[in-house]
Parts: sequence; structure tokens; C-alpha cells
Amino acid sequence: AQSVTQLGSHVSVSEGALVLLRCNYSSSVPPYLFWYVQYPNQGLQLLLKYTSAATLVKGINGFEAEFKKSETSFHLTKPSAHMRDAAEYFCAVTGVSGGYNKLIFGAGTRLAVHP
Amino acid sequence: DAGVIQSPRHEVTEMGQEVTLRCKPISGHDYLFWYRQTMMRGLELLIYFNNNVPIDDSGMPEDRFSAKMPNASFSTLKIQPSEPRDSAVYFCASRVRQGAEAFFGQGTRLTVV
Repeated sequence: AQSVTQLGSHVSVSEGALVLLRCNYSSSVPPYLFWYVQYPNQGLQLLLKYTSAATLVKGINGFEAEFKKSETSFHLTKPSAHMRDAAEYFCAVTGVSGGYNKLIFGAGTRLAVHP
Repeated sequence: DAGVIQSPRHEVTEMGQEVTLRCKPISGHDYLFWYRQTMMRGLELLIYFNNNVPIDDSGMPEDRFSAKMPNASFSTLKIQPSEPRDSAVYFCASRVRQGAEAFFGQGTRLTVV
């Protein structure tokens, strides 16, 4: 079975501050992991993905995430927040072997950026 | 490619009516997913298809919900009869293969009054 836990349903940062959104996963098989962003009244857009190559993954809009197997984590970071980063962020997991085809999402973290 | 296309974007219907949501996946994608998003329950996987075959429908909430994929370029999610608690945003997503990222449509906002 696979699952994702996102710690913190709401995160608030100042513009220019570090962004850290937490994601822990559980998977019976080697996972592929994703971060998606959702802006109001829109669908989900891929930020970045981990597919068993480099453990540090760089994505769009200056975001990056590090896969840590020992901690079963895939936290999302950005060195300096912009107002336009305000959105909801979702971590997701899928399997790449056997019958683990589902794409399972966490509950989401809403990021607020204030001046 | 135009991406995943969902229709309608908005649907308002009365309780007891049948509702059909439509999805056109990206050409060449082998997997199609239907999700429901609500404030209370977040993003729930309802059902997914592989090569037009339903693989796992364990997320479908009740027998009132059904989904079909008659061919590789079209899928429907039907609710009959609809109830106010079905009000949500329904997303369709597709991906090219196992392990790949999924691409999402813009969603259908369903309101049942």
C-alpha cells in the first residue's frame, strides 16, 4: 500500500523567506514521488518529480525537493518566496512495479506569502 | 496536444438528476484517473483505467457513481441520481505509462442543489 502525509495544512511565510513544505511517504515498493501546485480554480500542475535518478530534484519556479529514503521524506523547498507562490501544494506517490499503479495524493498544504 | 480536456467546466443540477462528466485524455496516454476534490476530503482517487480497462474502482463512493472508457480518447463519469453531497470539483488526469507524471484537466465544478 502507498500513502502520503503532508505536515501542516497551512504554511505562512514572508516574501523573500525560505519555503519548506513537508511530505512523508509510505510505500511497499520503490516509489516515484511528485509535487504539484494548484492555483485557485485551476487544475494541478507538476512542479517536479523524483524517479530514482538524482535524489535532489529541481523543478519549475525555483522549487526543489530532496528524496531521503532513510527518512521516507520528500520535502519541497524554495530559498526565497514570491507573492506568486501563494497556492496549494500537493505531494503524490506512485509505484513503478507490480500492481502499484495508483497515484495517491496528500491532503495538501496551502502556502500564504505576505509582504 | 491541447492537454486533458474536461467538459463541462461548471454544472449545476437538481438533486435526483443524472449528471455526466466528460474527459478527453492526452493522445497516447495509457492511464486515465478520475479524482474528486472537496474541502473536507481533499483529493480522492475515484477510479483509474489502464488501456481503457477499469483497474481499480475502490474509491467510487456508491453505486450511484459509474465510469466508462469506451475508447482511448474518451471517458465519462456518471452520477445517477445526484445528491447535494456530490457537490465537488471533479478532475480527470492522464499519464503515458506507469510511474510517469499525470497531467490534469481544468476540472468540472459540480453543484447539486
